[in-house]
Amino acid sequence: TQLLEQSPQFLSIQEGENLTVYCNSSSVFSSLQWYRQEPGEGPVLLVTVVTGGEVKKLKRLTFQFGDARKDSSLHITAAQPGDTGLYLCAVHYNTDKLIFGTGTRLQVFP
Amino acid sequence: GAGVSQSPSNKVTEKGKDVELRCDPISGHTALYWYRQRLGQGLEFLIYFQGNSAPDKSGLPSDRFSAERTGESVSTLTIQRTQQEDSAVYLCASSLPILGAGELFFGEGSRLTVL
Repeated sequence: TQLLEQSPQFLSIQEGENLTVYCNSSSVFSSLQWYRQEPGEGPVLLVTVVTGGEVKKLKRLTFQFGDARKDSSLHITAAQPGDTGLYLCAVHYNTDKLIFGTGTRLQVFP
Repeated sequence: GAGVSQSPSNKVTEKGKDVELRCDPISGHTALYWYRQRLGQGLEFLIYFQGNSAPDKSGLPSDRFSAERTGESVSTLTIQRTQQEDSAVYLCASSLPILGAGELFFGEGSRLTVL
């Protein structure tokens, strides 16, 4: 059983479209992070959300932490080919190790 | 260098051989993590070191896998008697000791292929 389930698993869209990906759990967390991984590289942190209901914006990316701090969403407006990559949510758990979600692989076509 | 460094970047080995993968974390980062990423998959937690505390080894898939860390610097992940299912990218990351919200900085990974 995965601690963090992400959906959809795969997403292929055209440039200019909007999209939302989700990260869900049955557990409550004090904070949640989103990372993006491009081919051949390690993941890079996009944002950390810490307050229930918090919304953070990073250019065309909008992140929201659920009110109950069990889930999160990432919305991308007017997707660009440069947004292509693997999007991973992650939480610090138990001994403070960081556990990653199952991932959403996004492909944006020109 | 300023980032996390991993070596080798690529390793091809024969089934049954042992391999060692090395990670040099960012200076001053007391936390160090190892993850495994199979082709097209997400990151699977393997082991976590934090300062002088006992490492969290709960993610190691079998007793063929082990890892050590020298103080707060270099770490080595060892896989004994490699199997084909061990083929994956092994990613190392380090972070400052910020409880519950630390940012992880990743290396580019070591790609292991077991023939």
